[in-house]
Amino acid sequence: NAGVTQTPKFRVLKTGQSMTLLCAQDMNHEYMYWYRQDPGMGLRLIHYSVGEGTTAKGEVPDGYNVSRLKKQNFLLGLESAAPSQTSVYFCASRRQANTGELFFGEGSRLTVL
Amino acid sequence: DAKTTQPPSMDCAEGRAANLPCNHSTISGNEYVYWYRQIHSQGPQYIIHGLKNNETNEMASLIITEDRKSSTLILPHATLRDTAVYYCIVRVPPNDMRFGAGTRLTVKP
Repeated sequence: NAGVTQTPKFRVLKTGQSMTLLCAQDMNHEYMYWYRQDPGMGLRLIHYSVGEGTTAKGEVPDGYNVSRLKKQNFLLGLESAAPSQTSVYFCASRRQANTGELFFGEGSRLTVL
Repeated sequence: DAKTTQPPSMDCAEGRAANLPCNHSTISGNEYVYWYRQIHSQGPQYIIHGLKNNETNEMASLIITEDRKSSTLILPHATLRDTAVYYCIVRVPPNDMRFGAGTRLTVKP
């Protein structure tokens, strides 16, 4: 099993450009999450989803949109990228249970110039 | 969700036990305590979780005080590969999972 796969792994954008990060999981997990991590900081939750067709805001949702059209995919979109969105983005998933075991992807490093 | 407080950094000698504390004084009765770690820039890795009883697995032990206001993660025989940032999370299942700044553990030879 691949687990949680994020694409792309690296991307450089200019201010104002748009892009989409794709997170795919092959574990049939119900819950999926998008985090960002700035240098020297912990992870901050952007958006999450508790099932296909549902999304919810986390700590820092502004400037981002998400969609969960298929259970295995969770997309994170930046409509108009800003330098403040330069960060490493992590996707995670877990099954529907009280266990807190999140499975993380390898991260996507985004630089906005 | 209850907030957690962790020391920003700790050192531990290789082969010794590493004891990482976490304060969660506002924890509610149905909130779980979770521990994750992040090595270098990799995605965080789940370690252990518990509600009120002490827990042990192949990676670590989790000791939760009787009043549940604090907990300690114990790595019984720390190795250099245990050098990482350790996150303590308290949450109400099943949804929101928020990470704080964590504790940077450095295991020294």
